[in-house]
Amino acid sequence: LAKTTQPISMDSYEGQEVNITCSHNNIATNDYITWYQQFPSQGPRFIIQGYKTKVTNEVASLFIPADRKSSTLSLPRVSLSDTAVYYCLVGPLYGGELSFGAGTTVTVRA
Amino acid sequence: GAVVSQHPSWVICKSGTSVKIECRSLDFQATTMFWYRQFPKQSLMLMATSNEGSKATYEQGVEKDKFLINHASLTLSTLTVTSAHPEDSSFYICSARRENNEQFFGPGTRLTVL
Repeated sequence: LAKTTQPISMDSYEGQEVNITCSHNNIATNDYITWYQQFPSQGPRFIIQGYKTKVTNEVASLFIPADRKSSTLSLPRVSLSDTAVYYCLVGPLYGGELSFGAGTTVTVRA
Repeated sequence: GAVVSQHPSWVICKSGTSVKIECRSLDFQATTMFWYRQFPKQSLMLMATSNEGSKATYEQGVEKDKFLINHASLTLSTLTVTSAHPEDSSFYICSARRENNEQFFGPGTRLTVL
């Protein structure tokens, strides 16, 4: 499983856009990039997944450059309820367990 | 999305007792279930992978005789912490993977061993 590196923490204010970049220099050809969100004392929740270029859903966007050695999760107009730990995971779409890195603690302030 | 439940959501037990945690996929059949452990302020650590009807595969450093995993059906996996001690106090999270490889996490179980 490719190792990932994320910032330990990020602070933001309500209404701002938060961008979290994850480095995965050893990503394999068949690896996908997946982001999870975790609130205290809860299980992780799937946010978004992508392979290349850009993916957007109702909660976030995922930007992946052509070399796929990094990816950026973009949370538009965050609110206090977006305060959580965000994990970037890299692995094959089919098969294998998920390996969690340290994650990024995002704190949104009023 | 699919739902995975865990029971109990929290448990307090005395040192030396055994505790069973259930993980159920409520609306899909899970070909594989995973058990994670998470200590305060730390990330999730994979403990074991279980496939229905076969023995679980444990990660290095996880005692299989202490953390018994049974995956008796496609919708239920159980983790039994045998002879629990205070150092086993943690947040235990399961996840279930269905045939299209989507993986869903349970809400977690907080275990406190006194």
